[in-house]
Amino acid sequence: EVQLVESGGGLVQPGGSLRLSCAASGFSVSANYMGWVRQAPGKGPEWVSIIHSDGRMYDAESVKGRFAISRDDSRNTLFLQMNNLRAEDTAVYYCARLIASYYVVGYWGQGTLVTVSS
Amino acid sequence: EIVMTQSPATLSVSPGERATLSCRASQSVTNLAWYQQKPGQAPRLLISGASNRATGVPARFSGSGSGTEFTLTITSLQSEDFAVYYCQHYNNWPPTFGQGTKLEIK
Repeated sequence: EVQLVESGGGLVQPGGSLRLSCAASGFSVSANYMGWVRQAPGKGPEWVSIIHSDGRMYDAESVKGRFAISRDDSRNTLFLQMNNLRAEDTAVYYCARLIASYYVVGYWGQGTLVTVSS
Repeated sequence: EIVMTQSPATLSVSPGERATLSCRASQSVTNLAWYQQKPGQAPRLLISGASNRATGVPARFSGSGSGTEFTLTITSLQSEDFAVYYCQHYNNWPPTFGQGTKLEIK
C-alpha cells in the first residue's frame, strides 16, 4: 500500500527556515516523480517543487532560490528545505507521488501545516 | 504560465441531478486533470487526460473537452459528491490549478 507521511511543519517567524520530510512506503521514491504541492487557507493548490526519477528538479518561481527539494534514497524519504520564509508561504504542504512522468498527483500525503508569522 | 479559470465559483444542485463544471485555459493544453477535495482532506484525482477516470472513480463522473475548454460532468449527484473541484493542466512546468468550483447542496 502506498503511504506518504509528512512531518516538520509548524510556526516559524518571517525569514526563518523549516525542513519538511515525507516518509514513503509501499514504493520507491527514487523510481518515481515526486513533488510538493501547497495550499494556502481558502485557496486552490499550488505546485511548489518536483524531482524527477533521474534527479532533475524544478521549482515554482515564487520559491526559486529559497526552497530546495531533495530525496534520500536509503531512507525512501523526500524533503523540502524552506529558507527565508515569508507570510505568503503559509499553507498546508502536501507530499505528492506523481503518475508516471506526468505532473499529475496520483497519491497525496495528509499534509503538514506551515505558518509563517511573527 | 498558463492560467486556469473555473466557473462557476459555486454551483448549487439538488441530489440526483446533474452538475456541469467548466474549466478554461489561457492557452491550448493537451493534458488536463480534475481533482475533488473535501474539507480537511487532500485533493483526490478524478480524471486525467481530460477524460480518463482514475482507478475507483464512479462512472457518474466524466470529463470532456479539448484545447482551452474543458468540462467535468457529474450525473445523478450523490451526497458524497458535494465538495470543491479543481482542474489542473499538466502540459509543462509549472502545472497550474484553477481556483476551484464549490459544489453545494441546493
